[in-house]
Amino acid sequence: DQQVKQNSPSLSVQEGRISILNCDYTNSMFDYFLWYKKYPAEGPTFLISISSIKDKNEDGRFTVFLNKSAKHLSLHIVPSQPGDSAVYFCAGATSGTYKYIFGTGTRLKVLA
Amino acid sequence: NAGVTQTPKFQVLKTGQSMTLQCAQDMNHNSMYWYRQDPGMGLRLIYYSASEGTTDKGEVPNGYNVSRLNKREFSLRLESAAPSQTSVYFCASSEIPGLTYNEQFFGPGTRLTVL
Repeated sequence: DQQVKQNSPSLSVQEGRISILNCDYTNSMFDYFLWYKKYPAEGPTFLISISSIKDKNEDGRFTVFLNKSAKHLSLHIVPSQPGDSAVYFCAGATSGTYKYIFGTGTRLKVLA
Repeated sequence: NAGVTQTPKFQVLKTGQSMTLQCAQDMNHNSMYWYRQDPGMGLRLIYYSASEGTTDKGEVPNGYNVSRLNKREFSLRLESAAPSQTSVYFCASSEIPGLTYNEQFFGPGTRLTVL
């Protein structure tokens, strides 16, 4: 049972346009969500998070939206830059626990 | 600060061989984790250590053992490697989770191939 799903394995976007990466979850116990970015041959690095009591969190070019009723979150990158080309993982977690459940990732390619 | 370091970076084993993957962090974090990443599977938690002296199973612990040697170091051991353990292994660390999220910091990974 995949508790966190990223149904788009890959996405290509033109430089300067918006990138929208989607994530769905099934576990109602998750109360915060995180996005990680991963470049080839490197470990994942934290990008942005959101608590379940919020529906939006913004950090510079990155915004995460949470729709609890739909159990859906999305990461918006505006404007997209070639350096954003990477694999993006979303993860769900329950506060006070140690386990992050990761999705399978979406490979974003930003075309110059 | 080096953050989270892992050794080795690459390893090739034959079926049945054993090896230990090493991980160390210099951020004074209490919690440490071992993940594996396989194509189409995302990152899956193998074992974690909430604090020095404790270890617990994650999603996919079979075929692995861990040791939390001290606060800095957390090793992952494969006693008898199998081809199904071919993967990229990541170590991570964080503060003890509280009421809010605690970002996990990842090492660069160890690419393991079992023939």
